[in-house]
Amino acid sequence: AQSVTQLDSHVSVSEGTPVLLRCNYSSSYSPSLFWYVQHPNKGLQLLLKYTSAATLVKGINGFEAEFKKSETSFHLTKPSAHMSDAAEYFCVVSDVLRGGYNKLIFGAGTRLAVHP
Amino acid sequence: EAGVTQFPSHSVIEKGQTVTLRCDPISGHDNLYWYRRVMGKEIKFLLHFVKESKQDESGMPNNRFLAERTGGTYSTLKVQPAELEDSGVYFCASSQKTGELFFGEGSRLTVL
Repeated sequence: AQSVTQLDSHVSVSEGTPVLLRCNYSSSYSPSLFWYVQHPNKGLQLLLKYTSAATLVKGINGFEAEFKKSETSFHLTKPSAHMSDAAEYFCVVSDVLRGGYNKLIFGAGTRLAVHP
Repeated sequence: EAGVTQFPSHSVIEKGQTVTLRCDPISGHDNLYWYRRVMGKEIKFLLHFVKESKQDESGMPNNRFLAERTGGTYSTLKVQPAELEDSGVYFCASSQKTGELFFGEGSRLTVL
């Protein structure tokens, strides 16, 4: 069975400092991995996705993530946090066996706070 | 172009009552999904429609939940009778064949 573990439930950074949101996955197959973001009172928005092409994936709003098979990790980073990055972030793996791209398995989420 | 819309945004009902949540997918998206996040837990898959057919309903928690998608357009998710543990946020998403899922803002259900 596939699963994801987000290692931090809350992360707090100062504006202009780097962001690191950690995610480890478990998969018997070559996984498809995603990061989604949810801003307050908004829907879930796709930040970026990894589907076995380049291991360093660039997403929207300056975020990127690196797929490391040896570490089973897919951490999300951004060089410089902005106040508007404050939101909840979800690491997600797709269930290849059942729904392929479409049945998503979510991590518990990481709330990112950005302070002036 | 309109995104995925969900109604109501928030519903408060008493235990034992019935609630119906509605989802309007993006026009032209044959795939429609329901997910939910109960308090303090992960977002979990409920079911997947392709047009009007249920492709996968393995995530539906019990027979108090009924999802329909008549005509392959909008979908409804009915909870009858609602229990306290059904409280949470219900998300709908839609996609083209194997494309990105676009999520709605969610319907928050509070069962008292």
